[in-house]
Amino acid sequence: EVQLVESGGGLIQPGGSLRLSCAASGLTVSSNYMSWVRQAPGKGLEWVSIIYGSSNTYYADSVKGRFTISRDNSKNTLYLQMNSLRAEDTAVYYCARGGSGVNDALSDFDYWGQGTLVTVSS
Amino acid sequence: SYELTQPSSVSVSPGQTARITCSGDVLAKKYARWFQQKPGQAPVLVIYKDSERPSGIPERFSGSSSGTTVTLTISGAQVEDEADYYCYSAGDNNRVFGGGTKLTVL
Repeated sequence: EVQLVESGGGLIQPGGSLRLSCAASGLTVSSNYMSWVRQAPGKGLEWVSIIYGSSNTYYADSVKGRFTISRDNSKNTLYLQMNSLRAEDTAVYYCARGGSGVNDALSDFDYWGQGTLVTVSS
Repeated sequence: SYELTQPSSVSVSPGQTARITCSGDVLAKKYARWFQQKPGQAPVLVIYKDSERPSGIPERFSGSSSGTTVTLTISGAQVEDEADYYCYSAGDNNRVFGGGTKLTVL
């Protein structure tokens, strides 16, 4: 059974930093496209970042230069380092398997974590 | 950049057919997928590759594509289908979700 378990969310002041983790079981993070997707309170889904292959990474324009996606293969864990946080980064952050550019496989966004809430406020 | 446009809401009575559209230029070249999200829960994939249904998804869910528009159809909608639905597509360096459609079944 595949499980993705996010952690690391919380209340942080504007300008602060936070690192989210996504511990995976039942799938190998390094062998899959892995994405972070966020959802602001009462709003829709927004793709944030992806990592795949030998550590190829892409970011949404809204977080480029502030967020860094990475993984620890030995721990089978995905990370999102978030710096220079803004109020508009307040959201539930989900990790999910998927995000390939071809978008034709069942394995794109078939597994999601339960999400972790990040609140940016003074 | 890619943009996907969905109606903000759709309402049907139980047993009726619900249709949710998603429009965007990228859909003429790239596949779409659909997600169902109920309050407080993570999204669930219900359609991929425009019209393929993952195992475990009821047959009443189907997808179709025509030009720059894809459509999610729920034939004989049930009360438990009430949820937010999001379309999604991806390109080389872009991944984008539609704004979401709230489906009300009552």
